[in-house]
Amino acid sequence: ETGVTQSPTHLIKTRGQQVTLRCSSQSGHNTVSWYQQALGQGPQFIFQYYREEENGRGNFPPRFSGLQFPNYSSELNVNALELDDSALYLCASSLSIGATEAFFGQGTRLTVV
Amino acid sequence: KNEVEQSPQNLTAQEGEFITINCSYSVGISALHWLQQHPGGGIVSLFMLSSGKKKHGRLIATINIQEKHSSLHITASHPRDSAVYICAVTGRNTDKLIFGTGTRLQVFP
Repeated sequence: ETGVTQSPTHLIKTRGQQVTLRCSSQSGHNTVSWYQQALGQGPQFIFQYYREEENGRGNFPPRFSGLQFPNYSSELNVNALELDDSALYLCASSLSIGATEAFFGQGTRLTVV
Repeated sequence: KNEVEQSPQNLTAQEGEFITINCSYSVGISALHWLQQHPGGGIVSLFMLSSGKKKHGRLIATINIQEKHSSLHITASHPRDSAVYICAVTGRNTDKLIFGTGTRLQVFP
């Protein structure tokens, strides 16, 4: 039990639609990172939020966006879904910037058809 | 070439066998992580290392900073150890994790 919960656990969307994935971090963890894990691959860094501001971004287009809220929850939004967006999306929270220990949620498996 | 490479990609073992999974990285790091991912997708952190060796139960993780190499060992393997084991590093100048592609381990009774 990591104290990080993600919802929903599974989701099916149609190409072109928009999706919002949610993550609830441990209390006091003001840093959250989102990762995309395609089938058979290691997770890839999407972006990180620290105190409600984006603090670093991987090689993902602007249609991937995020929000972080004061209550330690966060969202990953993806617009104009493409088939290749089908993946497991993981969030990881940590105590602060520079803290090397991260706590992962169970992930949301998104299927785009 | 990936910044974090793992070997082997797939591993099968009989219950009781000693298992080693290797990880090499090409970037400067502040820490290396060994993670376990079960079929449902959730990731559990097993170890975080910046030097030397750590042991937890039947699991041992070692790191050689000079050689940029780490190993995860499982002694007396058990079918419940079946999972994907992922090596990840935290770069020196960034907080993000860089992941290897994982090693899929299956332990048969």
